[in-house]
Amino acid sequence: NAGVMQNPRHLVRRRGQEARLRCSPMKGHSHVYWYRQLPEEGLKFMVYLQKENIIDESGMPKERFSAEFPKEGPSILRIQQVVRGDSAAYFCASSGQGVSGANVLTFGAGSRLTVL
Amino acid sequence: KQEVTQIPAALSVPEGENLVLNCSFTDSAIYNLQWFRQDPGKGLTSLLLIQSSQREQTSGRLNASLDKSSGRSTLYIAASQPGDSATYLCAVGSGSRLTFGEGTQLTVNP
Repeated sequence: NAGVMQNPRHLVRRRGQEARLRCSPMKGHSHVYWYRQLPEEGLKFMVYLQKENIIDESGMPKERFSAEFPKEGPSILRIQQVVRGDSAAYFCASSGQGVSGANVLTFGAGSRLTVL
Repeated sequence: KQEVTQIPAALSVPEGENLVLNCSFTDSAIYNLQWFRQDPGKGLTSLLLIQSSQREQTSGRLNASLDKSSGRSTLYIAASQPGDSATYLCAVGSGSRLTFGEGTQLTVNP
Protein backbone atom coordinates (compact mmCIF):
# COMPACT_ATOMS: atom_id res chain seq x y z
CA ASN A 1 0.00 0.00 0.00
CA ALA A 2 1.74 3.14 -1.23
CA GLY A 3 -0.17 5.51 1.02
CA VAL A 4 -1.51 8.84 -0.16
CA MET A 5 0.45 9.97 -3.20
CA GLN A 6 0.67 13.62 -4.12
CA ASN A 7 2.33 15.11 -7.16
CA PRO A 8 4.10 17.16 -8.01
CA ARG A 9 6.00 17.53 -4.75
CA HIS A 10 7.24 20.93 -5.81
CA LEU A 11 5.71 23.24 -8.38
CA VAL A 12 6.86 26.68 -9.49
CA ARG A 13 4.50 28.93 -11.38
CA ARG A 14 4.57 32.54 -12.51
CA ARG A 15 1.76 34.87 -11.62
CA GLY A 16 -1.25 34.29 -13.85
CA GLN A 17 -0.44 30.67 -14.70
CA GLU A 18 -2.47 27.66 -13.64
CA ALA A 19 -1.45 25.11 -11.03
CA ARG A 20 -2.79 21.56 -10.92
CA LEU A 21 -2.11 19.40 -7.90
CA ARG A 22 -2.93 15.71 -7.91
CA CYS A 23 -3.75 13.34 -5.09
CA SER A 24 -4.18 9.58 -5.27
CA PRO A 25 -5.79 8.33 -2.05
CA MET A 26 -4.88 5.14 -0.31
CA LYS A 27 -6.28 2.01 -1.90
CA GLY A 28 -9.85 1.50 -0.84
CA HIS A 29 -10.31 5.08 0.41
CA SER A 30 -13.15 7.06 -1.10
CA HIS A 31 -12.96 10.20 1.06
CA VAL A 32 -10.46 12.91 0.13
CA TYR A 33 -9.63 16.15 1.92
CA TRP A 34 -7.47 19.07 0.82
CA TYR A 35 -5.72 21.35 3.31
CA ARG A 36 -3.51 24.38 2.78
CA GLN A 37 -0.61 25.39 4.99
CA LEU A 38 0.61 28.93 4.47
CA PRO A 39 4.13 29.78 5.64
CA GLU A 40 4.33 29.89 9.44
CA GLU A 41 0.63 29.03 9.77
CA GLY A 42 -1.46 25.99 10.63
CA LEU A 43 -3.34 23.70 8.28
CA LYS A 44 -6.59 25.14 7.00
CA PHE A 45 -9.36 22.97 5.59
CA MET A 46 -10.22 23.64 1.97
CA VAL A 47 -12.53 20.94 0.60
CA TYR A 48 -13.89 17.46 1.25
CA LEU A 49 -14.78 15.20 -1.64
CA GLN A 50 -16.09 11.72 -2.23
CA LYS A 51 -16.03 10.04 -5.61
CA GLU A 52 -17.67 12.40 -8.12
CA ASN A 53 -19.11 14.59 -5.34
CA ILE A 54 -18.03 17.71 -3.48
CA ILE A 55 -19.32 17.28 0.06
CA ASP A 56 -17.98 20.41 1.75
CA GLU A 57 -16.15 23.22 -0.03
CA SER A 58 -16.65 25.85 2.62
CA GLY A 59 -12.89 26.36 2.99
CA MET A 60 -12.23 27.04 -0.67
CA PRO A 61 -11.57 30.60 -1.82
CA LYS A 62 -14.54 31.82 -3.82
CA GLU A 63 -12.58 32.45 -6.99
CA ARG A 64 -9.82 30.69 -8.94
CA PHE A 65 -9.86 27.48 -6.88
CA SER A 66 -11.66 24.28 -7.82
CA ALA A 67 -11.42 20.62 -6.90
CA GLU A 68 -12.67 17.35 -8.31
CA PHE A 69 -12.49 13.66 -7.53
CA PRO A 70 -13.59 11.78 -10.63
CA LYS A 71 -14.83 8.22 -10.75
CA GLU A 72 -11.48 7.18 -12.20
CA GLY A 73 -8.16 8.78 -11.44
CA PRO A 74 -6.78 11.07 -8.79
CA SER A 75 -8.33 14.04 -7.08
CA ILE A 76 -7.26 17.34 -8.62
CA LEU A 77 -6.93 20.72 -6.94
CA ARG A 78 -6.81 23.41 -9.59
CA ILE A 79 -5.72 26.99 -9.03
CA GLN A 80 -6.25 29.36 -11.93
CA GLN A 81 -4.36 32.65 -12.42
CA VAL A 82 -2.10 32.06 -9.45
CA VAL A 83 -0.93 34.96 -7.28
CA ARG A 84 1.98 35.15 -4.85
CA GLY A 85 -0.38 34.64 -1.92
CA ASP A 86 -1.17 31.15 -3.23
CA SER A 87 2.38 30.05 -2.36
CA ALA A 88 1.88 27.35 0.25
CA ALA A 89 2.03 23.66 0.96
CA TYR A 90 -1.11 21.83 -0.14
CA PHE A 91 -1.83 18.59 1.66
CA CYS A 92 -4.22 15.86 0.68
CA ALA A 93 -5.62 13.30 3.10
CA SER A 94 -7.80 10.26 2.60
CA SER A 95 -9.89 7.97 4.74
CA GLY A 96 -12.21 5.05 4.31
CA GLN A 97 -15.05 6.40 6.40
CA GLY A 98 -14.81 10.14 6.78
CA VAL A 99 -13.85 11.92 9.98
CA SER A 100 -16.69 10.38 11.96
CA GLY A 101 -15.25 6.90 11.56
CA ALA A 102 -12.69 5.09 13.63
CA ASN A 103 -9.96 5.34 11.05
CA VAL A 104 -7.29 7.99 11.03
CA LEU A 105 -6.95 10.40 8.18
CA THR A 106 -3.80 9.56 6.28
CA PHE A 107 -1.94 12.49 4.82
CA GLY A 108 0.25 12.74 1.77
CA ALA A 109 3.67 14.41 1.79
CA GLY A 110 2.21 17.58 0.31
CA SER A 111 2.72 19.66 -2.80
CA ARG A 112 4.67 22.85 -2.32
CA LEU A 113 3.61 25.61 -4.68
CA THR A 114 5.83 28.62 -5.22
CA VAL A 115 4.48 31.53 -7.24
CA LEU A 116 7.09 33.87 -8.65
CA LYS B 1 -17.36 27.01 14.23
CA GLN B 2 -14.78 24.73 15.82
CA GLU B 3 -11.59 26.41 17.00
CA VAL B 4 -8.53 24.55 18.24
CA THR B 5 -5.79 26.13 20.34
CA GLN B 6 -2.46 24.62 21.28
CA ILE B 7 -0.26 25.74 24.14
CA PRO B 8 2.63 26.34 24.27
CA ALA B 9 3.49 27.47 20.75
CA ALA B 10 7.09 26.39 21.27
CA LEU B 11 8.89 24.30 23.85
CA SER B 12 12.56 23.51 24.37
CA VAL B 13 13.58 20.80 26.82
CA PRO B 14 16.70 18.79 27.66
CA GLU B 15 16.85 15.17 26.59
CA GLY B 16 15.22 12.74 28.99
CA GLU B 17 12.61 15.13 30.31
CA ASN B 18 8.91 14.21 30.40
CA LEU B 19 6.67 16.82 28.84
CA VAL B 20 3.04 17.70 28.21
CA LEU B 21 1.52 19.43 25.20
CA ASN B 22 -1.91 20.96 25.53
CA CYS B 23 -4.81 21.26 23.13
CA SER B 24 -8.21 22.86 23.68
CA PHE B 25 -11.27 23.05 21.44
CA THR B 26 -14.41 25.12 21.58
CA ASP B 27 -17.13 22.71 20.42
CA SER B 28 -17.41 19.49 22.39
CA ALA B 29 -19.55 17.80 19.70
CA ILE B 30 -16.62 15.87 18.26
CA TYR B 31 -16.16 12.42 16.77
CA ASN B 32 -12.52 12.07 17.65
CA LEU B 33 -9.23 13.85 18.23
CA GLN B 34 -5.94 13.09 16.51
CA TRP B 35 -2.38 14.05 17.34
CA PHE B 36 0.04 14.40 14.44
CA ARG B 37 3.72 15.04 14.09
CA GLN B 38 5.13 17.23 11.32
CA ASP B 39 8.83 17.43 10.53
CA PRO B 40 10.15 20.52 8.67
CA GLY B 41 9.23 20.44 5.00
CA LYS B 42 7.47 17.11 5.39
CA GLY B 43 3.95 15.75 5.63
CA LEU B 44 1.99 14.71 8.70
CA THR B 45 2.42 11.49 10.61
CA SER B 46 -0.52 10.35 12.70
CA LEU B 47 0.54 9.53 16.26
CA LEU B 48 -2.65 8.76 18.15
CA LEU B 49 -6.40 8.80 17.53
CA ILE B 50 -8.83 9.06 20.43
CA GLN B 51 -12.50 8.40 19.76
CA SER B 52 -14.98 10.67 21.56
CA SER B 53 -16.05 7.79 23.81
CA GLN B 54 -12.47 7.13 24.93
CA ARG B 55 -10.44 8.85 27.64
CA GLU B 56 -6.92 8.07 26.48
CA GLN B 57 -4.69 6.22 24.04
CA THR B 58 -1.11 5.08 24.42
CA SER B 59 1.60 4.25 21.93
CA GLY B 60 5.10 3.62 23.21
CA ARG B 61 6.33 6.72 25.02
CA LEU B 62 3.25 8.70 23.98
CA ASN B 63 0.02 9.00 25.90
CA ALA B 64 -2.88 11.18 24.81
CA SER B 65 -5.88 11.99 26.96
CA LEU B 66 -9.25 13.47 26.07
CA ASP B 67 -11.72 15.33 28.27
CA LYS B 68 -14.53 16.08 25.87
CA SER B 69 -16.71 17.91 28.38
CA SER B 70 -14.02 20.47 29.13
CA GLY B 71 -12.76 20.60 25.56
CA ARG B 72 -9.21 19.55 26.35
CA SER B 73 -6.61 17.04 25.31
CA THR B 74 -3.03 16.51 26.38
CA LEU B 75 -0.17 14.68 24.73
CA TYR B 76 2.34 13.30 27.20
CA ILE B 77 5.81 12.39 25.93
CA ALA B 78 7.94 10.36 28.32
CA ALA B 79 11.74 10.37 28.36
CA SER B 80 12.04 12.77 25.44
CA GLN B 81 14.72 12.23 22.80
CA PRO B 82 16.31 14.56 20.22
CA GLY B 83 14.47 12.60 17.54
CA ASP B 84 11.19 13.80 19.05
CA SER B 85 11.98 17.33 17.84
CA ALA B 86 9.17 18.32 15.48
CA THR B 87 5.92 20.26 15.39
CA TYR B 88 3.04 18.49 17.09
CA LEU B 89 -0.45 19.17 15.78
CA CYS B 90 -3.76 18.50 17.44
CA ALA B 91 -6.77 17.99 15.16
CA VAL B 92 -10.42 17.62 16.11
CA GLY B 93 -12.87 15.66 13.98
CA SER B 94 -16.28 17.31 13.89
CA GLY B 95 -18.82 18.03 11.18
CA SER B 96 -17.24 16.92 7.93
CA ARG B 97 -13.61 17.78 8.65
CA LEU B 98 -10.56 17.80 10.88
CA THR B 99 -9.83 21.20 12.39
CA PHE B 100 -6.20 21.77 13.30
CA GLY B 101 -4.48 23.80 15.96
CA GLU B 102 -1.47 25.94 15.11
CA GLY B 103 0.88 23.37 16.61
CA THR B 104 3.57 23.18 19.28
CA GLN B 105 7.14 23.31 18.02
CA LEU B 106 9.16 20.98 20.23
CA THR B 107 12.95 21.00 20.46
CA VAL B 108 14.69 18.33 22.53
CA ASN B 109 18.29 19.25 23.22
CA PRO B 110 20.94 16.53 23.56
